[in-house]
Amino acid sequence: EADIYQTPRYLVIGTGKKITLECSQTMGHDKMYWYQQDPGMELHLIHYSYGVNSTEKGDLSSESTVSRIRTEHFPLTLESARPSHTSQYLCASSEPGVETQYFGPGTRLLVL
Amino acid sequence: AQSVSQHNHHVILSEAASLELGCNYSYGGTVNLFWYVQYPGQHLQLLLKYFSGDPLVKGIKGFEAEFIKSKFSFNLRKPSVQWSDTAEYFCAVTAGSWGKFQFGAGTQVVVTP
Repeated sequence: EADIYQTPRYLVIGTGKKITLECSQTMGHDKMYWYQQDPGMELHLIHYSYGVNSTEKGDLSSESTVSRIRTEHFPLTLESARPSHTSQYLCASSEPGVETQYFGPGTRLLVL
Repeated sequence: AQSVSQHNHHVILSEAASLELGCNYSYGGTVNLFWYVQYPGQHLQLLLKYFSGDPLVKGIKGFEAEFIKSKFSFNLRKPSVQWSDTAEYFCAVTAGSWGKFQFGAGTQVVVTP
């Protein structure tokens, strides 16, 4: 079983608040990803990283930002949450040259 | 642009029935293909994958998938489902070597006792 963790698992927050979703993996994977998933919809890649100090935007435009200061840690931040940010956010990681991605349990975000 | 299409959004079937979930992708080059499963309240887990070689791939829990290059398809099958197969199933495709996934919309499978 993959060791990738996300906190919090559930978050209910008011509009305008700043939030950070945590993602950590203990597998030493260089590549990490953030996906957004709405109910009944496909996963959309919003951010990815090849390694430390590398961050790229994904296919789906997102107002969130990410950082990668340490290999094992890839937090996602929303400076000012809005109801349109309500969704599930999934973090994943993979090894270079090995395409399989391992997923965390997700964070379900509800912005009121 | 690369896309992945899963034909059924919801499937309901009885235990012991056979299951086949369709997945088609649109990309002309070399692809890697995956099926992931998400059981209620759990992580997305890898069910099986195809990189190269035998186009019939066997995964965990009795699942298999067949890659048909000419049809751009990677359908998932299980001959006899169990109640515990109730889950959401996602097909995913990567092209190239850097691991960027394109996921399908998912198929919710409900197996009734």
